[in-house]
Amino acid sequence: AQTVTQSQPEMSVQEAETVTLSCTYDTSESDYYLFWYKQPPSRQMILVIRQEAYKQQNATENRFSVNFQKAAKSFSLKISDSQLGDAAMYFCAYGSGNTGKLIFGQGTTLQVKP
Amino acid sequence: EADIYQTPRYLVIGTGKKITLECSQTMGHDKMYWYQQDPGMELHLIHYSYGVNSTEKGDLSSESTVSRIRTEHFPLTLESARPSHTSQYLCASSEYGADDTDTQYFGPGTRLTVL
Repeated sequence: AQTVTQSQPEMSVQEAETVTLSCTYDTSESDYYLFWYKQPPSRQMILVIRQEAYKQQNATENRFSVNFQKAAKSFSLKISDSQLGDAAMYFCAYGSGNTGKLIFGQGTTLQVKP
Repeated sequence: EADIYQTPRYLVIGTGKKITLECSQTMGHDKMYWYQQDPGMELHLIHYSYGVNSTEKGDLSSESTVSRIRTEHFPLTLESARPSHTSQYLCASSEYGADDTDTQYFGPGTRLTVL
């Protein structure tokens, strides 16, 4: 069975600085995707960034980038130039290429200090 | 604008009542999902569907049931609500076989409280 682990329940960052959120996963599948989702307080879950496992190049979306280490089964999210609006709970998720089902990590609550 | 909708957003109901949580998407996605999420915790898949007349139970056991009679509609029903059902329920959908294969998009959620 696949598992996703986020070992940082809470993180904080100063506005305009950079923060990295950690995620590790375990799987025996060869076809899968990895995602970071953002869930602001009492608001909708939105996709931040996605990585196909077969791609070696790390995904980037504006201020958000990932460090995908396939052999180590690690998928960290880097947020550059942090903004107050980045404050939210961030979930790492594993998506099976076979079923499309997602397995979520426990989440990391990110606080951004002005 | 293509989107995914859930109603009601908040529901407070007494024990024993039958409730239906609505989920609709206008993106034409084949796959739809229901997740249960307790406050500040991870999401757990309770039901999913790969298309019309297809429904499967998820990884977390749930007393709820679902139906998929139309592509865009995936309601979740609790026949007799109990306080243990108090939680947030999130609906999601994804496209099968398109460029964004297996990227799930989420609705705003329904926060259910059973007294």
